[in-house]
Amino acid sequence: GAVVSQHPSRVICKSGTSVKIECRSLDFQATTMFWYRQFPKQSLMLMATSNEGSKATYEQGVEKDKFLINHASLTLSTLTVTSAHPEDSSFYICSARSATSGGLSSYEQYFGPGTRLTVT
Amino acid sequence: GNSVTQMEGPVTLSEEAFLTINCTYTATGYPSLFWYVQYPGEGLQLLLKATKADDKGSNKGFEATYRKETTSFHLEKGSVQVSDSAVYFCALGRNTPLVFGKGTRLSVIA
Repeated sequence: GAVVSQHPSRVICKSGTSVKIECRSLDFQATTMFWYRQFPKQSLMLMATSNEGSKATYEQGVEKDKFLINHASLTLSTLTVTSAHPEDSSFYICSARSATSGGLSSYEQYFGPGTRLTVT
Repeated sequence: GNSVTQMEGPVTLSEEAFLTINCTYTATGYPSLFWYVQYPGEGLQLLLKATKADDKGSNKGFEATYRKETTSFHLEKGSVQVSDSAVYFCALGRNTPLVFGKGTRLSVIA
């Protein structure tokens, strides 16, 4: 149990275009999803926290108009990078926290495999 | 606020050597502590966890004990293998988003 998927795993886009990344909890309901960004050889930086049906909470320094997060259901959250630029190239990782069901811990975060975004 | 400090890498060991990766934390309340592993080009996998003081988490030969008195959660393995080469992240959290250390890159050579 507790599988989180991300799609796509890799994406290359041109500067100025928008890219959408999906994060799905496959076998549990996720009341909360988190989006992290990881630069090469660095740690994970929390970008935002989203709760199903409400607006995402962004960390300081993260542009909410550039990184649009939608958490429309208990199993799906999306991150849209709008008007992407080369500096947005990074590894984006989502994670999901369970709504305390099926034996899953309510405080443990389950991570997706990540999406590598390259903006040319 | 909460924070995690990990030993700087990279760490290079020969196969079958003993591994210790230090992790200390600062936190309010009583967080849970985690070790995650990231293999090249992949996402994070939970390696082990401990939810309260003196708990020992273990998995795949790795161990870590939640030490409240020293605010530490050091990762150990008695005999590393080449396949253990990866980046290891210490993290803490409970009802808040996980806070991660900077990661320690481990390279094991045959």
